[in-house]
Amino acid sequence: AQSVTQLGSHVSVSEGALVLLRCNYSSSVPPYLFWYVQYPNQGLQLLLKYTSAATLVKGINGFEAEFKKSETSFHLTKPSAHMSDAAEYFCAVSDVGSKIIFGSGTRLSIRP
Amino acid sequence: NAGVTQTPKFQVLKTGQSMTLQCAQDMNHEYMSWYRQDPGMGLRLIHYSVGAGITDQGEVPNGYNVSRSTTEDFPLRLLSAAPSQTSVYFCASSSAQAGLVGYTFGSGTRLTVV
Repeated sequence: AQSVTQLGSHVSVSEGALVLLRCNYSSSVPPYLFWYVQYPNQGLQLLLKYTSAATLVKGINGFEAEFKKSETSFHLTKPSAHMSDAAEYFCAVSDVGSKIIFGSGTRLSIRP
Repeated sequence: NAGVTQTPKFQVLKTGQSMTLQCAQDMNHEYMSWYRQDPGMGLRLIHYSVGAGITDQGEVPNGYNVSRSTTEDFPLRLLSAAPSQTSVYFCASSSAQAGLVGYTFGSGTRLTVV
């Protein structure tokens, strides 16, 4: 069975600081991996996805993630945080089928 | 394009009542899913469909029924609501195998069962 673990339910950084949100996955087959963002009272929006092409994936709003098979990780980063980045972020995994399994989420807060 | 439309946006039910959460998409997507979101638990898959007439169970299917008679619609039925079903429900769709392209999500239905 596939699963993802997001380390840290809440991360707080200062505006302009590096954002690092951690995600580790478990999969018996080569995985497809996703990061989604959810702003308050809204649905989920796809930030980026890894589908076995390049291991470094660039997404929207300046975010990127690196697939590391040896570490079974897919951490999300952004060099410089903006106030508008405050949201909840979800890592997700799939095995190409129609099921996508989500992690428990990380709430990102930005300090002025 | 309206995308994925969920109705209603808010609903309060009494224990034991039944209701249907509606989901419609106008993108001709074959793949559709229902998730529930609870604090600290992320999104959990309830049921999913890979095309009209085909549905399957996800992680937490008990207490919910689905059917897929058309490509556009994927309603979720609660037969006898329980307080444990208080949650935010999201419908999602995809144009191909969801694992490759990811899902497009609706804006959610916030359900309270009292």
